[in-house]
Amino acid sequence: GAVVSQHPSRVICKSGTSVKIECRSLDFQATTMFWYRQFPKQSLMLMATSNEGSKATYEQGVEKDKFLINHASLTLSTLTVTSAHPEDSSFYICSAILLLGTSGRGDTQYFGPGTRLTVL
Amino acid sequence: AQSVTQPDIHITVSEGASLELRCNYSYGATPYLFWYVQSPGQGLQLLLKYFSGDTLVQGIKGFEAEFKRSQSSFNLRKPSVHWSDAAEYFCAVGLNTGTASKLTFGTGTRLQVTL
Repeated sequence: GAVVSQHPSRVICKSGTSVKIECRSLDFQATTMFWYRQFPKQSLMLMATSNEGSKATYEQGVEKDKFLINHASLTLSTLTVTSAHPEDSSFYICSAILLLGTSGRGDTQYFGPGTRLTVL
Repeated sequence: AQSVTQPDIHITVSEGASLELRCNYSYGATPYLFWYVQSPGQGLQLLLKYFSGDTLVQGIKGFEAEFKRSQSSFNLRKPSVHWSDAAEYFCAVGLNTGTASKLTFGTGTRLQVTL
């Protein structure tokens, strides 16, 4: 159980175009999803927290107009990289919270396999 | 703000040998601690987690970790490594925001297993 998928797994686009990445929790409902960015041989950096039915919360330094997040349902969050440029090339990973309670304790994040974005 | 340090960027062990991956954290309150493994082309898989209680935590694939508050450490161990354990390992600390735990990850330790 607790499977998270991402689509596409790889995408190559031209500079200036927009790219949408989907994150789905396949067998559970997730009111909260997270989006991370991982540079080669580096750690995951949290970009934003996506909450179903409300606006996403972005981490400091992340441009919300650049990285649009929509949490359309309890099983789907999307990240749209708008007007992508080569410096946006990275590995984007989402995670979904499987809630065990209401306080946040005991929550475990389940991660998707990631999406490799290459902007030419 | 919380932080996580994984001092070893790369570790090589022989198959069958024991393994210990180090993790130190900085956090003002009782931390929620996690170890994840990332294999090439795959997502992060949770190995184990610590929230409270017994400081020695058992995980999947024969891994265990021990929380030592006095040392601010949460080292991952395995008594006998298998070639399939070669991967990137990430330690993470969770900040309880009230609705969900935001994770701060360490920089990772790449494990290489020699036959």
